[in-house]
Parts: sequence; C-alpha cells; structure tokens
Amino acid sequence: GDSVTQTEGPVTVSESESLIINCTYSATSIAYPNLFWYVRYPGEGLQLLLKVITAGQKGSSRGFEATYNKETTSFHLQKASVQESDSAVYYCALGTGANTGKLTFGHGTILRVHP
Amino acid sequence: DPKIIQKPKYLVAVTGSEKILICEQYLGHNAMYWYRQSAKKPLEFMFSYSYQKLMDNQTASSRFQPQSSKKNHLDLQITALKPDDSATYFCASSRTRLGETLYFGSGTRLTVL
Repeated sequence: GDSVTQTEGPVTVSESESLIINCTYSATSIAYPNLFWYVRYPGEGLQLLLKVITAGQKGSSRGFEATYNKETTSFHLQKASVQESDSAVYYCALGTGANTGKLTFGHGTILRVHP
Repeated sequence: DPKIIQKPKYLVAVTGSEKILICEQYLGHNAMYWYRQSAKKPLEFMFSYSYQKLMDNQTASSRFQPQSSKKNHLDLQITALKPDDSATYFCASSRTRLGETLYFGSGTRLTVL
C-alpha cells in the first residue's frame, strides 16, 4: 500500500535558523500522487499548509516551501528562517487523486522553536 | 471560531463500554470523514461520507459505526471498547468528495482503561 515516511521528531531549532523536515513517499496505487503538508498548532485541528499536484513543481506558504521530486519520491519541507510561532506538528501526506478524500499520512514531526 | 466542532475533547471509557464521538461542521461542506491517530502510528483514514451516504470504509471492525443525522453532522459510535481503541479521533470535511483539501477538527482523545 501507499506510505509516507518523515523526519522523526521532535526537531528543535532556534528562532531565525533554517529548517528542513524530510518526507519520502511510496505510492503503489498511482504513479504521481498529490502531495501535501498539513500543520497542527497546539489545541487546533490540522490545517493545510501547502499542496502540490504536479511533479517537479514547488508549493509555498507562510515562508515554507516544498518541491515535488518524483525521481527521489520526496517532498521535503523547508523554511529559511523559522519563528517561535512555527512550533507545531507537521504532517506530510499523499493523495491518490481518486477523489475519495482519503489521504495517507506520515507520523507527524513535532517542531519546537526556541526564542 | 472553530468551523469543525468535535465533542468531547477528552474521553475516558472502560473496556466493554460504548461511546459516541460528536462532529459538526459549519463550512457548508458535503463530504465528511473520520481519521484516527493511535500512539506511534500515523493518522489513518477510517470513513468517508458524501451527502450523508457512506462512500468508503477502511475500518475492519463493525464496532465502529458512523452516524449522519444531518448533512453537517457525522458522529462516530464505538461499541465494546478495547484498550487498543485508545487514540485521537479526528473529524474532517471537504467541499465535495472530489477534493483532497481537508479541514480538520481538533480531535477527541479517547482513552480506554
């Protein structure tokens, strides 16, 4: 079946440092899945951070960016300079595009940003 | 204000009992879902509903029964609870089943003793 593997947390960085959270995927049901990053802030539900549905393209939001790399089957999340307010749990996910609303998620990576 | 309301936030139950997890969405969406995250496991898809009809069920056990009394409600009834059912249960919705941009509630954390 489909699977997503991401950096095991917690990841701890200082404010203004750069960040990368790795995500690799395996999609057995579809050649080019849709890829997502969701974020969950404390006390809230998951919310979409960014989405890329075309291999080779980059998505960006709130200073975060991720590039869909079909050669390495990766979708790493990066930010050049993190802020304390970025502390949250980040989830990488894939969708098969089969219009079912079913996403396959990674375990989630806890990010802690110290001031 | 939260657009997807899940109640309760925390729930403790004894083995063998039955509980209902409540979910209401105020986004005007037509598709709703349940996901579950157990300790040390990723979020797992459980059910999808579209226009109040069950579309997909990835839960092996019949002890988990979604209930949709209104278009914007999708409750989850769990019977004969087991300790392995301990998890955080997330309700989600999307405008239609054709989209994969899901909006999630903040979850109900269930602990079964």
